[in-house]
Amino acid sequence: GAVVSQHPSRVICKSGTSVKIECRSLDFQATTMFWYRQFPKQSLMLMATSNEGSKATYEQGVEKDKFLINHASLTLSTLTVTSAHPEDSSFYICSAQGPYYGYTFGSGTRLTVV
Amino acid sequence: DAKTTQPPSMDCAEGRAANLPCNHSTISGNEYVYWYRQIHSQGPQYIIHGLKNNETNEMASLIITEDRKSSTLILPHATLRDTAVYYCTRAGGSQGNLIFGKGTKLSVKP
Repeated sequence: GAVVSQHPSRVICKSGTSVKIECRSLDFQATTMFWYRQFPKQSLMLMATSNEGSKATYEQGVEKDKFLINHASLTLSTLTVTSAHPEDSSFYICSAQGPYYGYTFGSGTRLTVV
Repeated sequence: DAKTTQPPSMDCAEGRAANLPCNHSTISGNEYVYWYRQIHSQGPQYIIHGLKNNETNEMASLIITEDRKSSTLILPHATLRDTAVYYCTRAGGSQGNLIFGKGTKLSVKP
């Protein structure tokens, strides 16, 4: 079946530093990947849509200069949280569209900014 | 509103069938209904999806009403490992993305 690998699963960083999260589709090509954020006891909220070879589309209220997305190949999208602050602490989840039933999710990244 | 509506929580006895309802009254004719579940601190796991007809796979069955305004996910023999938050979703986002409501927290009890 379709597998999406997301790394790291957990990361702790200091305020002001940057963190990169990788999302890979292992056995299929994904022209579109989605990045979600989930705060405790809340649902998944779409942050941005990543399209291979083009600029990402950000949802309203999401700072594109803070959450940098790169989708350089059909199997890899990265999310970089720049100048992280404690309020950026959250659970980040990627999802790739395809190949069979539409949407496969990564295992998520727990980011803690101290 | 493009989000679906689900009861916030449900309990189910182990070994019994769990029936999880979902309302999606604004769904359009060509939109699939997807069901995912999420166990704490993990990414959502795909369960099943459907358009008009009822569907069954090794995990669950999906019953969709004729008017497509609601559906029910059925876990035929719930186990303790089925305890999770279940999301009924649709790909109604502007980017073709899944839109998540608050889901149903299913607790399977011994």
